[in-house]
Amino acid sequence: DAGVIQSPRHEVTEMGQEVTLRCKPISGHNSLFWYRQTMMRGLELLIYFNNNVPIDDSGMPEDRFSAKMPNASFSTLKIQPSEPRDSAVYFCASRSGTADNSPLHFGNGTRLTVT
Amino acid sequence: GDSVTQMEGPVTLSEEAFLTINCTYTATGYPSLFWYVQYPGEGLQLLLKATKADDKGSNKGFEATYRKETTSFHLEKGSVQVSDSAVYFCALSANQAGTALIFGKGTTLSVSS
Repeated sequence: DAGVIQSPRHEVTEMGQEVTLRCKPISGHNSLFWYRQTMMRGLELLIYFNNNVPIDDSGMPEDRFSAKMPNASFSTLKIQPSEPRDSAVYFCASRSGTADNSPLHFGNGTRLTVT
Repeated sequence: GDSVTQMEGPVTLSEEAFLTINCTYTATGYPSLFWYVQYPGEGLQLLLKATKADDKGSNKGFEATYRKETTSFHLEKGSVQVSDSAVYFCALSANQAGTALIFGKGTTLSVSS
């Protein structure tokens, strides 16, 4: 079991540039979640998918953020254009099944710095 | 809406001290409750969970009891080690299939030898 794989681990970009974060969930998991972690706001849910379908994107900060899950083994989170306040650690997590007591498995995160 | 409140950190303890990290929640119905731990540079890992009132979750010497009457899920450990230094997150999942976890803001624990 390779775990949830995120890339890149670190991303430094300039304001206005497009940023794409990638996630490969654990094979067989059918729910995928994107979270953002900052010192000020802690861990915030951005969006989550069940069976590749977006279920709740109410946490996406604004239209600059978009997420896709074209198949069961891959998801992207895109920010276009990026701004300094987007600097944070972005985590992807996956879960087997949809039962509310199933644990989430997190990737190691992507640390994004927008200058 | 549903929410989780954790005690503010950081918590600084000496090795072998007793640990309590408070967590209370607000939710409709009967959520499942979790503690996750995050070590530096890593993602969160499940530490323990409880799915119904009076359940006790335990793992690696940590314990937490689901208290419906006080809407709490406090994390405890009788004797902490330096290796327990990490950030601890309390979380809940609404009792509906397919819902996401809601996390508290996290409590940083620092244990010195």
